[in-house]
Amino acid sequence: EAGVVQSPRYKIIEKKQPVAFWCNPISGHNTLYWYLQNLGQGPELLIRYENEEAVDDSQLPKDRFSAERLKGVDSTLKIQPAELGDSAVYLCASSERGGNNEQFFGPGTRLTVL
Amino acid sequence: QKEVEQDPGPLSVPEGAIVSLNCTYSNSAFQYFMWYRQYSRKGPELLMYTYSSGNKEDGRFTAQVDKSSKYISLFIRDSQPSDSATYLCAMSARSNYQLIWGAGTKLIIKP
Repeated sequence: EAGVVQSPRYKIIEKKQPVAFWCNPISGHNTLYWYLQNLGQGPELLIRYENEEAVDDSQLPKDRFSAERLKGVDSTLKIQPAELGDSAVYLCASSERGGNNEQFFGPGTRLTVL
Repeated sequence: QKEVEQDPGPLSVPEGAIVSLNCTYSNSAFQYFMWYRQYSRKGPELLMYTYSSGNKEDGRFTAQVDKSSKYISLFIRDSQPSDSATYLCAMSARSNYQLIWGAGTKLIIKP
């Protein structure tokens, strides 16, 4: 069974440029999470989807971050414009249903903003 | 003060040693406790999941929860170089509630 797929794995951009990350969750998982992880820190939730509905986006900086999960499967996280402080690893995870069922993580996208 | 505190390490031990990793927390409402392992340039993977207090064992791994002390532990017996990774604790108050993560402890097992 394929795991959570994320692309790209690495991205280097200039500040003020836009960037987008893509996530394909495990088949059948209707809950999808986007996390941000800084070096030496635990993951920080940005947004959680149940199917195509964003049920928790309280930590998403909505002035520059946006996300969508069309058709309740793949998801895209966008930053526009990117700032130096956005350099981090962006992790996508999925689970069979919301709450504390096991979350399966992708390898992450390492973003560097110059 | 963070809700979940975890010593970042690194913790370096010889192969075969028993490893003890710990987290403390401040929110007495936490009931669900998890340990994740994260290898370099990989996403976290769930190791142990415990509800409320008590012990749980899975092979070489044992998770303990002491809610009276707000303290959780992960023990690794007969540690192997392949156990070298960052270990993250995570917890939440309800089954449909946000996970609160520790910062992770970097563990190094020396051959």
